[in-house]
Amino acid sequence: DAGVTQSPTHLIKTRGQHVTLRCSPISGHKSVSWYQQVLGQGPQFIFQYYEKEERGRGNFPDRFSARQFPNYSSELNVNALLLGDSALYLCASSLGQIDSPLHFGNGTRLTVT
Amino acid sequence: GNSVTQMEGPVTLSEEAFLTINCTYTATGYPSLFWYVQYPGEGLQLLLKATKADDKGSNKGFEATYRKETTSFHLEKGSVQVSDSAVYFCALSDRNAGNMLTFGGGTRLMVKP
Repeated sequence: DAGVTQSPTHLIKTRGQHVTLRCSPISGHKSVSWYQQVLGQGPQFIFQYYEKEERGRGNFPDRFSARQFPNYSSELNVNALLLGDSALYLCASSLGQIDSPLHFGNGTRLTVT
Repeated sequence: GNSVTQMEGPVTLSEEAFLTINCTYTATGYPSLFWYVQYPGEGLQLLLKATKADDKGSNKGFEATYRKETTSFHLEKGSVQVSDSAVYFCALSDRNAGNMLTFGGGTRLMVKP
């Protein structure tokens, strides 16, 4: 079975631009979560979606938004990019129940110049 | 709030040496505890987990025991291999916050032949 797939793998943007990152979950998984991993640090929670509804939001500014589609894929949007948004963005999918393990994709490496 | 603290790396060991990576946590409820591993250029893979006090998670020779009295979840392996070289993350999930994971800062392990 295919794992969690994310696109693109790498992206270079300029300050002030916006970006859309995409994620396809494992087949049968209804929950998708997004994490930001700054170089040398642990991942930080951004959003969780389950059955197309937002279930949780981390401590990120309103420039960050996301949505989940009927096929359970998801997009993460970031507006007005800052240099500090440079990071590895990880998507994870799960069945959505408490203690369901998260399965991570390989991430999208975003560089803001 | 919830937090995870793990020992800073890098940890450098010779092949077949004993490994311990310390992890302690702070949580308001009764979290589940996890160890994830990240190989270069990849996303995170679940290594093992424990969902309640005194549970022992194990996988691929790695073990960790959920110690509620010391709020710890130390990772151990009796004999490391070069292929174990990676970054290891301790994490917790709070049942009151869905599947949201709180990660430690990661510990880089380097195993020399």
